[in-house]
Parts: sequence; structure tokens; C-alpha cells
Amino acid sequence: DVKVTQSSRYLVKRTGEKVFLECVQDMDHENMFWYRQDPGLGLRLIYFSYDVKMKEKGDIPEGYSVSREKKERFSLILESASTNQTSMYLCASSFIGQGGANVLTFGAGSRLTVL
Amino acid sequence: DQQVKQNSPSLSVQEGRISILNCDYTNSMFDYFLWYKKYPAEGPTFLISISSIKDKNEDGRFTVFLNKSAKHLSLHIVPSQPGDSAVYFCAASKVDSSYKLIFGSGTRLLVRP
Repeated sequence: DVKVTQSSRYLVKRTGEKVFLECVQDMDHENMFWYRQDPGLGLRLIYFSYDVKMKEKGDIPEGYSVSREKKERFSLILESASTNQTSMYLCASSFIGQGGANVLTFGAGSRLTVL
Repeated sequence: DQQVKQNSPSLSVQEGRISILNCDYTNSMFDYFLWYKKYPAEGPTFLISISSIKDKNEDGRFTVFLNKSAKHLSLHIVPSQPGDSAVYFCAASKVDSSYKLIFGSGTRLLVRP
């Protein structure tokens, strides 16, 4: 069973603070992702990584950065947290499933509140 | 510009009946479609997928139908069970960027006992 573990389930931070969200997967997947989930907007891709030290911007990268120093670990960094970054953050890793579908396995999520 | 749309935010059905969740897309370049289920306080879990070369894929109580001409897919759950109560997301990807899934906004399904 693939496990994607997000280190913090709930965080409360103040505006301007630097925030680190950590994610670890244990199945040697090449691809890792950070999404945020907001009501009425579904899941939106922030960044993804297809290899160690490789990253690409998703649809909403502004205000975020990422780090992938090891294959199993993908970190999301909010350099200076703002209230509009209050959200549920979901990390995922992926393999290519039956027929070529890219099947993501998600962690349980990290709910961040920025005051 | 939402490329994947789930126009029904919620759906309520009786236990034992059929649940039909709908999803529309605008980009004809999408070639894979997936459904995810999400319980509160958990991450989404993969449910079923379909390639654009097919029009139907079945897995137990779950069937996904794809109508390419209408750019529409649907998830059928038969029979519905209370444990199916969750938020369902459809997602799509393109052949030249299969790692990138575009998600819909989700439909909350409630199955009443």
C-alpha cells in the first residue's frame, strides 16, 4: 500500500510567517505534487516534481516554492504567509496506472489557517 | 476558465438506488479521465479511470461512461450504500502532460439509509 504522509494535519500561522509543509512517500514514485483544495474550486495544482531537484509550476504557484532534495520527500514553502493562503493542502505522488492513466495517491492533507 | 466542471455541488439518493454523478469538460485534448472519492479529514482516493478510446469502464458497483462528442462523463454507483457518502471529484489529463490532472470542483453525495 502506497503511503503519502504529510507531517502536519493542522497549522495556525500568522501573516508574514514562513511556513514549511512536509510530505514523504514510501513507494519510490518519480512524481510528486502539491495541490490546494478550496470550497467550490476543487483541487488546484501548485507545483509538481518529476525527479529529484526538478520542479515545475502548476496553475497557482504564486506565493509558493518547493524543494525536492530526496526522491521520497517534497516540501511546500510559503515564504511569507498571507490570509488568502488559508486552505487545505494536499500532497500526492503518482505512478502510471493501467492503460497509461496517471494515478495520484494523496496524503491526508494539511489544513493551514493564516491569521 | 474551468476546463473540468461538475455543475451539481450536491446529490442525495436513497440507499440501494443508483447514484449518477456528472462531469463536463471543455478541452478536446483530454485523453484520460479519473474519479476520486474524498471523505472528510482524508485525502482523495482513486476510484476508477477511463481512457478516451473507450466509452465505458466498470469496476464492481462503479461504472464510468464517456461521451466524447458531448464532452461529458458520468459515474454510476449501483446500488448506492451509505458508505458511499463522500465528495466525488472528476479529473482529466492530456496525453502531452499526463502527469498534470485538472480537477473539477466536486459533488457531495449523500446516500440516505
